[in-house]
Amino acid sequence: AQSVTQPDIHITVSEGASLELRCNYSYGATPYLFWYVQSPGQGLQLLLKYFSGDTLVQGIKGFEAEFKRSQSSFNLRKPSVHWSDAAEYFCAVGANAGNMLTFGGGTRLMVKP
Amino acid sequence: DSGVTQTPKHLITATGQRVTLRCSPRSGDLSVYWYQQSLDQGLQFLIQYYNGEERAKGNILERFSAQQFPDLHSELNLSSLELGDSALYFCASSPHRGQGRTEAFFGQGTRLTVV
Repeated sequence: AQSVTQPDIHITVSEGASLELRCNYSYGATPYLFWYVQSPGQGLQLLLKYFSGDTLVQGIKGFEAEFKRSQSSFNLRKPSVHWSDAAEYFCAVGANAGNMLTFGGGTRLMVKP
Repeated sequence: DSGVTQTPKHLITATGQRVTLRCSPRSGDLSVYWYQQSLDQGLQFLIQYYNGEERAKGNILERFSAQQFPDLHSELNLSSLELGDSALYFCASSPHRGQGRTEAFFGQGTRLTVV
């Protein structure tokens, strides 16, 4: 069975600082990996996805993520955080023939002025 | 706006009652997925329908059921409600049978509070 671990429940960064959110997955074959963001009272918005090819993927809002098979990781990064990035971030894994996504527990990002 | 519409946005009901949550997928999407987000369990997959047929089941309780209608909208029925059923229920849709290899678009959710 697939699983996703987001080791950091809360992260606080200063506005303008860089950001890295960690995600580790467990899956026997090549995974399909996603990062979603959930703002308060909102649904889940897809930031980026990895299916195959280049292991560094670019997403919306200036986010990027790097797939590292050897480390079973798919960390999310942003070079300069904006106050509007404060939200909860979810990493998810999908199987090739699977019918659902398995989500990590989420990381809540707070941004200090 | 993802194009997925969920109604109602908020629902407050008493224990033992039954409620129906509604989801309209994006135009053209054949798959509908239901997820439950709670503080203790996180985001969990409940069930998927594809073009009217049940396709996959996750951690869905027997008290819960769903269906997808010919116009592709879906309803999630929750009965004999318990306090622990209080959660945010999300619907997502995608054009394909398998969500794993394509992105899914999520609605804004229905927040259910059982009192």
